[in-house]
Amino acid sequence: AQKITQTQPGMFVQEKEAVTLDCTYDTSDPSYGLFWYKQPSSGEMIFLIYQGSYDQQNATEGRYSLNFQKARKSANLVISASQLGDSAMYFCAMREDNQGGKLIFGQGTELSVKP
Amino acid sequence: EPEVTQTPSHQVTQMGQEVILRCVPISNHLYFYWYRQILGQKVEFLVSFYNNEISEKSEIFDDQFSVERPDGSNFTLKIRSTKLEDSAMYFCASRVVPQGAMGDTQYFGPGTRLTVL
Repeated sequence: AQKITQTQPGMFVQEKEAVTLDCTYDTSDPSYGLFWYKQPSSGEMIFLIYQGSYDQQNATEGRYSLNFQKARKSANLVISASQLGDSAMYFCAMREDNQGGKLIFGQGTELSVKP
Repeated sequence: EPEVTQTPSHQVTQMGQEVILRCVPISNHLYFYWYRQILGQKVEFLVSFYNNEISEKSEIFDDQFSVERPDGSNFTLKIRSTKLEDSAMYFCASRVVPQGAMGDTQYFGPGTRLTVL
């Protein structure tokens, strides 16, 4: 079974609009961390945002926010006021505390921002 | 701002040759990782390293792979006899000990694109 599922292979959004990238996860570990990374066409992996399983509030980092719904096991990334530079691949990842710290990645969502 | 660095950025090799990919993690980080990403696919965990030993490895990380921290700054991944299917982007990542949110985050290097011919 997939541990991290990103069901949107590709998404389009108009510049300046908000967009939500979906991520669901599967774990029986009560302690875990959820991450989003951005991978532009140049290939590097850029950390965007982190949510711990015990965090009471949704994480925010500038234009990025994480809509964490623990009961639904979802950790959707919301990008507000999209910019052309947001066009990239976005990966959701999970770290389970009983698994030594490795990250498990989803398949990714390719976001294209249209002018 | 401190960052993870990797060299070379691109390595081309013949099948059967040995390659060494190099990484310099962020200086105060203690956990080190290698991941790979085959073109167009998701990022896959290879190995984690802490306190000068492997703490976990995946099924991909077979006897052809090894890691080493030869000095206080470098972290290397060696592939002894490369295969065509080893062609991928290889990422090094590092993190500090887990002391809350920032300690939990792995920071990735820019990657080494390995092409095996």
